[in-house]
Amino acid sequence: DAGITQSPRYKITETGRQVTLMCHQTWSHSYMFWYRQDLGHGLRLIYYSAAADITDKGEVPDGYVVSRSKTENFPLTLESATRSQTSVYFCASSATPNTYGYTFGSGTRLTVV
Amino acid sequence: GQSLEQPSEVTAVEGAIVQINCTYQTSGFYGLSWYQQHDGGAPTFLSYNALDGLEETGRFSSFLSRSDSYGYLLLQELQMKDSASYFCAVHGSGNTGKLIFGQGTTLQVKP
Repeated sequence: DAGITQSPRYKITETGRQVTLMCHQTWSHSYMFWYRQDLGHGLRLIYYSAAADITDKGEVPDGYVVSRSKTENFPLTLESATRSQTSVYFCASSATPNTYGYTFGSGTRLTVV
Repeated sequence: GQSLEQPSEVTAVEGAIVQINCTYQTSGFYGLSWYQQHDGGAPTFLSYNALDGLEETGRFSSFLSRSDSYGYLLLQELQMKDSASYFCAVHGSGNTGKLIFGQGTTLQVKP
């Protein structure tokens, strides 16, 4: 199916565990982004990527790692999950962000217990 | 750095017009976007303004004044389905494509 998909939709993990959230898009968009959304904070940028093998930090990168070996995939890893990382995570992609905006995935709701 | 301010909540009645304001501070500016998000859903792109003036898309319009670091989203002929959160977002320095979002405005449309 065409589009941008995130997996899993829901995840519960324990403090200290490593967790990887997956994001896959089928449009070959150059730009991909990871945001987290918490009540009272809106959407905050974690990491972004302008192309395969090019990534950079956003507003809140601590505790997260990304990679982008292929254009279509942009996984987000929490190296050692903490309760403060309980959030809804959105992946987004765009061919031309300054014109057509982003297309967001459906999100992953992560709970760290 | 970048910061945006928008009202946290707005209430209006069906059929009315509502304006959601956004002021921003940013080092380097390429444009202002607006996104809509229904409860539990993904944000969806509504509009983008790079130049001063009004952009109209159906019932929604977006305005930008670069000299005032200010923009607004105008929703006309409100419908119940317009009840959602609305986010302004700046395209900031370096033309990296990254967006910095405001905290969102929750719009409640009443019958």
